[in-house]
Amino acid sequence: EVQLVETGGGLIQPGGSLRLSCAASDFSVSANYMTWVRQAPGRGLEWVSLISTGVKTYYADSVKGRFSISRDNSKNTLFLQMNSLRVEDTAIYYCAGSAGYSNSSPLNYWGPGTLLTVSS
Amino acid sequence: SYVLTQPPSVSVAPGKTARITCGGDNIGSKTVHWYQQKPGQAPVLVIYYDRDRPSGIPERFSGFKSVDTATLTITRVEAGDEADYYCQVWHSSSDHYVFGTGTKVTVL
Repeated sequence: EVQLVETGGGLIQPGGSLRLSCAASDFSVSANYMTWVRQAPGRGLEWVSLISTGVKTYYADSVKGRFSISRDNSKNTLFLQMNSLRVEDTAIYYCAGSAGYSNSSPLNYWGPGTLLTVSS
Repeated sequence: SYVLTQPPSVSVAPGKTARITCGGDNIGSKTVHWYQQKPGQAPVLVIYYDRDRPSGIPERFSGFKSVDTATLTITRVEAGDEADYYCQVWHSSSDHYVFGTGTKVTVL
């Protein structure tokens, strides 16, 4: 059974940095497109970042230049490095995996999410 | 930026049919996926590639797409279908995933 589990969320002050992790089981983070999606309290889903099976990465305008997506193939883990955090980055962050092999593939598998709170 | 517009809410009686629309510029040329999210839970894929159903999703869920609108239809609605539903596409012009604004389905 595919499992994605996010860790690394917590409370951090504005301007700070944090790295989220997403450990995968029965699903290869290197062989599939992986995505981060976030959801602010009481709000809808917002796409954050995508990494292809190659080296291409994509970012939402709201995080471009501040966030960086990467993966460790040996640990089968996806990361999201978040710098210069803002109050508006407060959200539940979900890791999602696509069983397809293109940007238009669906997000087949989701983790339970990890909560990031940016506040002074 | 590309926007996918959904009605904020849809109310439906048990056993009836719920239709959730998703409108976007030239959406007919894009591949649409649909997700269900129940309170406190992660989203779940319910329709992919416009009209396909993942294993485990009831046949009561179906998808359709025209030139300007994608529609998620839930027939014989049950109390357990009460959730938020989101459409999603890949917008190639901006290299962005885009989620719809979301629709809250309430079962009366």
